[in-house]
Amino acid sequence: DVKVTQSSRYLVKRTGEKVFLECVQDMDHENMFWYRQDPGLGLRLIYFSYDVKMKEKGDIPEGYSVSREKKERFSLILESASTNQTSMYLCSSRLAGSTGELFFGEGSRLTVL
Amino acid sequence: AQSVAQPEDQVNVAEGNPLTVKCTYSVSGNPYLFWYVQYPNRGLQFLLKYITGDNLVKGSYGFEAEFNKSQTSFHLKKPSALVSDSALYFCAVRRGWITGGGNKLTFGTGTQLKVEL
Repeated sequence: DVKVTQSSRYLVKRTGEKVFLECVQDMDHENMFWYRQDPGLGLRLIYFSYDVKMKEKGDIPEGYSVSREKKERFSLILESASTNQTSMYLCSSRLAGSTGELFFGEGSRLTVL
Repeated sequence: AQSVAQPEDQVNVAEGNPLTVKCTYSVSGNPYLFWYVQYPNRGLQFLLKYITGDNLVKGSYGFEAEFNKSQTSFHLKKPSALVSDSALYFCAVRRGWITGGGNKLTFGTGTQLKVEL
């Protein structure tokens, strides 16, 4: 079975802390994405990566950064967490140039106090 | 810019009755359209997609969707709903035949489906 694994399902952090959300996929996919999900707003794209060491801003990149040092791993970083970053974060991946669907991880629910 | 509208926050239907979850989209060129389902505290699962060809596409768990280019719609349907279909459903669109920056998938705000006995 194909798999996207997000290492932390639930996190509680304090305002100002640095937060790392890790995502690993085992499908040799080139493209990886980070979304946040909020009630009534659906999924919004934060950052994506077409391949190793490549990254592009999505629709809401402010307050976030990403790292893609290896093909299978895509990390989302909150340099200084704020309460408005309390959300569900979803990682996904896809083969490059394909018509295929995104594969999603189970999500990381982050609460910033 | 591309966008997706899901006009209903919630759809209620009795078990055994047909269900429809509505979706309209806006995108330049040919669309690639997708439906995903999300169960509580889980990630999204792929249901079905339209890329090209037959306007009626069939997917997982007995779901189907009809692509209507003139109405820019891609409504999700099932002939007979089950209580276990209760979940959050998302429609998504991206531009077809485009790589690079146009490869992004844009999601709607989601529709909560509630199937009751």
